[in-house]
Amino acid sequence: QVTLRESGPALVRPTQTLTLTCTFSGFSLSTGGMCVSWTRQPPGKALEWLARIDWDDRKYYSTSLGTRLSITKDTSINQVVLTMTNMDPADTGTYYCARMTRLRKGDYASGNYFYAYYMDVWGRGTAVAVS
Amino acid sequence: SSELTQDPAVSVALGQTVRITCQGDSIRDIYVNWYQQKPGQAPVLVIYDKINRPSGIPARFSGSSSGNTASLTITGAQAEDEADYYCNSREISGNEVLGGGTQLTVL
Repeated sequence: QVTLRESGPALVRPTQTLTLTCTFSGFSLSTGGMCVSWTRQPPGKALEWLARIDWDDRKYYSTSLGTRLSITKDTSINQVVLTMTNMDPADTGTYYCARMTRLRKGDYASGNYFYAYYMDVWGRGTAVAVS
Repeated sequence: SSELTQDPAVSVALGQTVRITCQGDSIRDIYVNWYQQKPGQAPVLVIYDKINRPSGIPARFSGSSSGNTASLTITGAQAEDEADYYCNSREISGNEVLGGGTQLTVL
């Protein structure tokens, strides 16, 4: 059974750095094709994707927030850590981590293929207030 | 960057069929996923790669795609389907992108 759990401070002060930990079980981030993504949701607003880290340590960041974000993994203890610098009250919301896996599409033998990625299991989220 | 456009709100009568759409330039060439989110809960994957339904998702949920528009269809909507629905795809850069969400009301 795949589970993910987010943890971190419930309250941070403006300009501080937020550190969130995603602890997961039921899969390994060393396995090819496995990724973990972070998404957040301000109160009453839409989901916003933040960052992703892949099994091979490739990292992707939201274009609008990229300079403030850093994502790392520790496969030995099944954790992914997201840091966000210079926190602002507008960063208040619920932060979710999710496993991201992939489906290969096309003809692998000919090299004409690509992968469809999707977030198939989500954590329950952790609420962060910036005040 | 690519954007995914969704109608903010849609309503459907109980037992009827509703289609929720997602428009974006990237949809034509790459995957689209759909997530359901009920108040106070984490999102749940209901459709991946445009048409695939994860195990445990009722068969009344289906996905389709044409050109730059992907659709999530609920055939015979139930009261428990009332939720926010988000589409998700990927930019050329590899960054994920999420639509603004559609609030579904079941009347």
